[in-house]
Amino acid sequence: QLQLQESGPGLVKPSETLSLTCTVSGGSISSSSYYWGWIRQPPGKGLEWIGSIYYSGSTYYNPSLKSRVTISVDTSKNQFSLKLSSVTAADTAVYYCARQVGAIDYWGQGTLVTVSS
Amino acid sequence: SSELTQDPAVSVALGQTVRITCQGDSLRSYYASWYQQKPGQAPVLVIYGKNNRPSGIPDRFSGSSSGNTASLTITGAQAEDEADYYCNSRDSSGNSWVFGGGTKLTVL
Repeated sequence: QLQLQESGPGLVKPSETLSLTCTVSGGSISSSSYYWGWIRQPPGKGLEWIGSIYYSGSTYYNPSLKSRVTISVDTSKNQFSLKLSSVTAADTAVYYCARQVGAIDYWGQGTLVTVSS
Repeated sequence: SSELTQDPAVSVALGQTVRITCQGDSLRSYYASWYQQKPGQAPVLVIYGKNNRPSGIPDRFSGSSSGNTASLTITGAQAEDEADYYCNSRDSSGNSWVFGGGTKLTVL
């Protein structure tokens, strides 16, 4: 059974860079035809797709976040990562990592990241 | 603003049928997938592709699409179906994905 687990700081200061890692177990992140991505959900609000990386390394980002987002993969550790720069309070959210094969079929449990000084 | 539009809230009597819709131009070219989210939990995929259910999803959940509208139908809604439902698909460019704003389903 595939499992995904987010990790990273729960508190980030405004203007700094948010960094999260997703560790994948029960399957290889190098498997073909899968995207590995990030979704977030501000408290009390809806889901927002942030971006994803294809197994080949191609990246796809939400146009509204593209200038601040970087998603990368470390196949040796079976992990992928999210970096979101110049954060503000509006970036406070639960961040989910996920596997996407068209539809998003596996989700991490989510991790709350608060942007505050 | 979302490129996929959902009604914010829908209600259904216990055991009745309810349809939750998702509208967007990209749905003319791409299928939507549907997710159920209960409070404090990660979303769960309930419908994908033309009308496919992942293992473990009850067959009272079904999906359909016509023109720029995708629909999730729950036939014989149960109390445990009360949740937020989100649609997701590629955006109009085809280069990224987008979620609808979500529909809060209340089972009366």
